[in-house]
Parts: sequence; C-alpha cells; structure tokens
Amino acid sequence: ETGVTQTPRHLVMGMTNKKSLKCEQHLGHNAMYWYKQSAKKPLELMFVYNFKEQTENNSVPSRFSPECPNSSHLFLHLHTLQPEDSALYLCASSQDPASGSNTGELFFGEGSRLTVL
Amino acid sequence: ILNVEQSPQSLHVQEGDSTNFTCSFPSSNFYALHWYRWETAKSPEALFVMTLNGDEKKKGRISATLNTKEGYSYLYIKGSQPEDSATYLCAFPNQAGTALIFGKGTTLSVSS
Repeated sequence: ETGVTQTPRHLVMGMTNKKSLKCEQHLGHNAMYWYKQSAKKPLELMFVYNFKEQTENNSVPSRFSPECPNSSHLFLHLHTLQPEDSALYLCASSQDPASGSNTGELFFGEGSRLTVL
Repeated sequence: ILNVEQSPQSLHVQEGDSTNFTCSFPSSNFYALHWYRWETAKSPEALFVMTLNGDEKKKGRISATLNTKEGYSYLYIKGSQPEDSATYLCAFPNQAGTALIFGKGTTLSVSS
C-alpha cells in the first residue's frame, strides 16, 4: 500500500456541484496538508492540520472546506467552485515534533486533477 | 512575505552533461531547506532536508550544498540521464514553522 493515497485521481464538476477529495496516509504521521498546483505557479499551501487541529488556513476561499476526522484521513469538500479553481490538488503528510515546528520531509500523494466546467 | 526563488525555470541538457540549479531563500531565521524531485504523473519525493550551514548531501549522482548566511542552495546532477528529467523543487518553512513554502521549480529535460 502506498504511503499517501488520494481519491479520486481525476474529477470533473460543474460550478453548482458538491464534491469531496479524499486523502489517506498509512505512515503514522501526525500532520497533513492540502496544496494546490495551478499552471505556471508554485505549489500553494491551502490548509495544515497538526494532531487533527487546523493550524493554518492560507486565505483560502470558503468554497473549499477541509475536514480532518483523524490523523490518517483528510478531506477537501468542494462547493460552488469556479473554473479558475481547476488545478491539481496535492495532499501530503509529515511527522512533526511535538513543538509544532516543521523540519520533517513531506510525503505526497499523486494528486487529484480537478476540472471545473 | 516569504519568497523562495529558483533558477533557471527550465533547462535542457544532453545525456552525460552535468548541471546545477539554484534556490534562494531568506537568510534570516533559517530553519531548514528541502529539495524535492517531481516526475511527470508521479508525486513529489524528497531528495534532501538540509539544516546546517555548509552542509553537503549526496544521493547517487545528485548532491546539494547549503549556504544559510547568504541564503542559497545549489543542486548538482553529475552525468545527467534521461531518468533525471523532472521538476526539482526547493522549499522553506513558513514563518509559523507549520508548513513548507515551495519555489516554482526548475524543470530539467535530459535528451539521450
């Protein structure tokens, strides 16, 4: 089983749809992340969960709603998206020291390619 | 605003050539510098996590150096092979220390 698994790998949705992206990590890590990769832009941090608590929301619009029910699972709920939200959404996990500082390497999933029509 | 700059943006070399890329980052409050390799249709994978000024790390034909005082890191590939074709990303912790901020990457293409 791969370390970080994302589903679905590809998703096409209309602007009025509600869908969710799922991420699962089998590495025993305590921190999980959502990043967005748009064309010709660097990976953009969206959300960080550390010990299931959201520690970072990088000014992401409310049409993106994260959920972290436990340290192994992370969801990104999508609602009323815009065509410019079409991108590759990457989930990652890491093992962070209890202090909350982050020097641990990230382990990424293969991403969910989202197209909003 | 925290900026991680990488250059060049893309690079095309012939098999057997050696090459290097640059990552620039803020030199104040240094904590760690990460390098990742991202092959097409795969997930990014960590190459190195560097924490000490003057550090040099090596993995096969790939090596990296770190200068925290002047805020740069070099990634070197010796004798490039087609399988080295990928985007190489560097990343730096955000100010809160809760996540990594990535540069735009250097996309390497190696022709046989």
